[in-house]
Amino acid sequence: ELKVEQNPLFLSMQEGKNYTIYCNYSTTSDRLYWYRQDPGKSLESLFVLLSNGAVKQEGRLMASLDTKARLSTLHITAAVHDLSATYFCAVDIGGTPLVFGKGTRLSVIA
Amino acid sequence: DTEVTQTPKHLVMGMTNKKSLKCEQHMGHRAMYWYKQKAKKPPELMFVYSYEKLSINESVPSRFSPECPNSSLLNLHLHALQPEDSALYLCASSPGQASTDTQYFGPGTRLTVL
Repeated sequence: ELKVEQNPLFLSMQEGKNYTIYCNYSTTSDRLYWYRQDPGKSLESLFVLLSNGAVKQEGRLMASLDTKARLSTLHITAAVHDLSATYFCAVDIGGTPLVFGKGTRLSVIA
Repeated sequence: DTEVTQTPKHLVMGMTNKKSLKCEQHMGHRAMYWYKQKAKKPPELMFVYSYEKLSINESVPSRFSPECPNSSLLNLHLHALQPEDSALYLCASSPGQASTDTQYFGPGTRLTVL
C-alpha cells in the first residue's frame, strides 16, 4: 500500500524567510504532484515531477524529486503572505489513483 | 475552455432528499474523477470514469451513485445521505488515466447534510 507522508503539517513562517516542505512516499514511483489549496477553494496544480532529479520552479516555489530516496521537496524562497495556503503532494504508481499526503498548512506572517 | 466547472457551489439537503452534483469539462479529457474532502483533510478518491466507463469505485456507499452521460459530463447522484457525508466534493479530469496526466480540479460543491 502506497503511503505518502508530508512534514511539517503546520508551518508558520515570517515574510522573507526560506523554508522547505518534505514529501516522503513508500513505494517506487516516478511521478509526483504538488497542489495548492486556499481555504474553501479547490486544488490548483503547481508542479508535476516525472523523473529522478527533476526540478521545477515557478516564482518563489521550487520543487524537486529524488526517486531513489522516495523524497520530494517544495522549497519556498523569501516567503510572502500570498503563499499562505495548504500544500499537498500526491503520488501515483501507474494506473492507480493518486494518493495524497495530509497537507502542509502554511501561514506566512509579517 | 481550460477549466472544470461544478454546480451547484453550495448544497444543503435533508437526509431524505435526492439531489445531484454536476461536473463538466470541455478540454477533451477522457478521465473524470469524484473526490470527497473533509475539512483540514486531503481529498479522498471516490470514483474514476475512464472513457465514460466506471473504472474505479473506492468502496463508496450506495447512497452515492455516479453517472457519466457523455465524455464531458459527470454527475453524482445523492440519496439518503447522512450528516457525516457533509464535505467538499471535488470533480477532476485528466487527458487519460496515465500516470503522467495531471488532474485538473473543479471549484467543488460544498455539501451540508442536515
